Amino acid sequence: EAEVAQSPRYKITEKSQAVAFWCDPISGHATLYWYRQILGQGPELLVQFQDESVVDDSQLPKDRFSAERLKGVDSTLKIQPAELGDSAMYLCASSLGGSYNEQFFGPGTRLTVL
Amino acid sequence: SQQGEEDPQALSIQEGENATMNCSYKTSINNLQWYRQNSGRGLVHLILIRSNEREKHSGRLRVTLDTSKKSSSLLITASRAADTASYFCAPVNDYKLSFGAGTTVTVRA
Repeated sequence: EAEVAQSPRYKITEKSQAVAFWCDPISGHATLYWYRQILGQGPELLVQFQDESVVDDSQLPKDRFSAERLKGVDSTLKIQPAELGDSAMYLCASSLGGSYNEQFFGPGTRLTVL
Repeated sequence: SQQGEEDPQALSIQEGENATMNCSYKTSINNLQWYRQNSGRGLVHLILIRSNEREKHSGRLRVTLDTSKKSSSLLITASRAADTASYFCAPVNDYKLSFGAGTTVTVRA
């Protein structure tokens, strides 16, 4: 069964350092999402790609976060510099797109900023 | 905000019992989706109900939608230990899912 892959699964870093997360969506899924989930809360959309284009990054803190999907397949989310408040689970999801398709989520990357 | 709000925040039931959780939202939607998350892992899609549907079934799951009240409910029948998880509703407007804080369900053996 096809799955969304993410790496690393866990990341511990010190504040002010740079971190990067990688996501490989299900083959054929044009739409890719990055979410942040703080403990005890639901996922919050950070950025959405349609192929290689950003269609929604309204909740992405652009002073420190960046995301790219250069060839319209896999994607990287970067934080530089990391802050204590960035500690969270970062989830990647993919879908066929549109409003009526389910999103398939990866296992997530648990980030701890010390 | 379009964000779904689940109620109750937490639910503890005995194996074999039914579990019901509710979701409210504020504006018009295309559809509403329910997801499950086990112990700090990725989310799994459970069911999607369109705005013109009132009820939908999938295995032991039953979802209702009342667009006049802007609310939905998820019923899990004959619960099992494996149903222990957090359940999130996600109202969908255009393409965007807006998750609430979820309902944490614990099924006791």
